[in-house]
Amino acid sequence: RKEVEQDPGPFNVPEGATVAFNCTYSNSASQSFFWYRQDCRKEPKLLMSVYSSGNEDGRFTAQLNRASQYISLLIRDSKLSDSATYLCVVNINTGNQFYFGTGTSLTVIP
Amino acid sequence: ETGVTQTPRHLVMGMTNKKSLKCEQHLGHNAMYWYKQSAKKPLELMFVYNFKEQTENNSVPSRFSPECPNSSHLFLHLHTLQPEDSALYLCASSQKTGKETQYFGPGTRLLVL
Repeated sequence: RKEVEQDPGPFNVPEGATVAFNCTYSNSASQSFFWYRQDCRKEPKLLMSVYSSGNEDGRFTAQLNRASQYISLLIRDSKLSDSATYLCVVNINTGNQFYFGTGTSLTVIP
Repeated sequence: ETGVTQTPRHLVMGMTNKKSLKCEQHLGHNAMYWYKQSAKKPLELMFVYNFKEQTENNSVPSRFSPECPNSSHLFLHLHTLQPEDSALYLCASSQKTGKETQYFGPGTRLLVL
């Protein structure tokens, strides 16, 4: 079983729409959670860390559900510039293992 | 942004060649990482260095040989690679290992013929 699973999409949404991605993780000992964004042929960049209480950064909201072992990312009022692949990342913290999902592809359409 | 740089950005090599990838971070971090990203697959962690000491080797074939002379520089020496090794090789750094956010370089896109 994969450590981290994401729906690869693609998600094609119109500008201004709200879109949500989920990511499930298999190891209940997972400690840290992140969402990274990767543009085509570019490196991943941190979008936001995910805290137990949930956190918001502008149009982006991240949630963690430990009981069901998933994290989510909500994007409100989608912009064309939000088009990218969103990577879910989980750190087990028993060593230095970061596990990445395959990513969810988002395209925001004018 | 030039926090983490990688050279070369693109590399084509034959299976008998020897080449090296270089990574340099200007963030004052103590941990550095090599990842492999293949099409349709998640990033795979290859090696982790913390304060110049290798702390993780995720069953990477010996044809990949890392070197970390100091906390700012990381190399990946390549020798007798296979076509399936063609991928994007990403270097990352973080303040320390564990929960810390990782910052990635732009990657080296490698093609093995």
